[in-house]
Amino acid sequence: GQQLNQSPQSMFIQEGEDVSMNCTSSSIFNTWLWYKQEPGEGPVLLIALYKAGELTSNGRLTAQFGITRKDSFLNISASIPSDVGIYFCAGQLQLGAQKLVFGQGTRLTINP
Amino acid sequence: DGGITQSPKYLFRKEGQNVTLSCEQNLNHDAMYWYRQDPGQGLRLIYYSQIVNDFQKGDIAEGYSVSREKKESFPLTVTSAQKNPTAFYLCASRIQGDTEAFFGQGTRLTVV
Repeated sequence: GQQLNQSPQSMFIQEGEDVSMNCTSSSIFNTWLWYKQEPGEGPVLLIALYKAGELTSNGRLTAQFGITRKDSFLNISASIPSDVGIYFCAGQLQLGAQKLVFGQGTRLTINP
Repeated sequence: DGGITQSPKYLFRKEGQNVTLSCEQNLNHDAMYWYRQDPGQGLRLIYYSQIVNDFQKGDIAEGYSVSREKKESFPLTVTSAQKNPTAFYLCASRIQGDTEAFFGQGTRLTVV
C-alpha cells in the first residue's frame, strides 16, 4: 500500500526541549492528521490539517500542512514528561477517500 | 459518553483456534476499520466497511474475516489461517466523507 515516511523513528530528549518530526510522501495528500499513542492504548487525534500551507496549534503542539502537499510537520514546544508516546502521521489522498495512510510512528522518550 | 469500545483488552488464543474481537461504536459513524499494529511498525489496514452489509479488504486481509450486520458493530475474526496473529489490534470509525478517524483502546492478542 501507499507509504508515508515518518522521521525520526525515535527521539530521546531532555525535558523542556522542543521536538520536531515530519512525514513525507511521493504522493500529494488532501488531508494530514497527527495522532499520539500511549502504551497499550489507541491513538488519539491531536491535530487535523486540510489546506496546503495551513498551520494549526493545539496547546504546545503545532502542525503544518506542507505547501507541496507531500509533507507535514509536527512540533512540540517545551516538552514535559506526559508528552512521552508514539506520534503517528496519517494522510488521505483525496476527498472522500475510504482509507487513511499511516506513517511508521516517532517514539518520543523524555529524560526528566 | 460516545465512543468506540473494543473488547476484550487482552486475549489469549491457542494455536489453531479462531477468535473474535469485538468493536462497538455509538458515534453514528458510517465507516469502521480494523488495523493491526506490530512493534516498530505503523498501523496496517486489515478490513474496512463503509456501510452495513458491505466491507472491503485492506492491505493484510489474509487470515482474517469480518462482518457488518449492524452500523454500530464491526467484529473481527482472527482465523487459524493467520500465521502470525500475535499483535495489537485497533478498531477505528469515522463519519462517511469526513477524514478524522477515532480509535478504540485496542485488543492485545497473544497466541500461546
